[in-house]
Amino acid sequence: EPEVTQTPSHQVTQMGQEVILRCVPISNHLYFYWYRQILGQKVEFLVSFYNNEISEKSEIFDDQFSVERPDGSNFTLKIRSTKLEDSAMYFCASSESSRTQYFGPGTRLTVL
Amino acid sequence: AQKITQTQPGMFVQEKEAVTLDCTYDTSDPSYGLFWYKQPSSGEMIFLIYQGSYDQQNATEGRYSLNFQKARKSANLVISASQLGDSAMYFCAMRPIHTNAGKSTFGDGTTLTVKP
Repeated sequence: EPEVTQTPSHQVTQMGQEVILRCVPISNHLYFYWYRQILGQKVEFLVSFYNNEISEKSEIFDDQFSVERPDGSNFTLKIRSTKLEDSAMYFCASSESSRTQYFGPGTRLTVL
Repeated sequence: AQKITQTQPGMFVQEKEAVTLDCTYDTSDPSYGLFWYKQPSSGEMIFLIYQGSYDQQNATEGRYSLNFQKARKSANLVISASQLGDSAMYFCAMRPIHTNAGKSTFGDGTTLTVKP
């Protein structure tokens, strides 16, 4: 069964460093998303992406964040200068319609 | 704006019994979808079941069913014949469905513990 994959599973970085989180959405899906979940809290929407551009973004998704689909398969989230409060689980998701949304296993980001 | 409320922080159920996890929602969108996800301790988000606001029948997927009451704005998840592996956090979420790119809004989650 097709699935969303994410790498790395765990990333540790120093405050102020740049990180890139990678995702491979399900191959026939056209809509891509990033969400984050701070430990013990609810899942929060960051950004949605379609047709090589951002469809919607939340207040969390400020200038420190960017997304890119560099080729036909990968979808990346970049955080330019990480802060302690960026520590969270980051989920990539993809969908083919409004009736589906499949999540990847997540990348746990720890900022020291 | 969309809002999901899950009022049960934690629930316990005996193995092989049924359990209902509550979810109420609020939205100004005329059409929307409701989702339930399971998050085990390993952290991944597993899609369980979907209900569209205009679907005539309540959704079912194996041991999962969604008790959708539109007038009450509730979308409770029913798990029948609970298994030890059902112990996890469960999230209710909703998306607008007038667009395929709609974001999901999540509730705070309910931690389900299945007792042997």
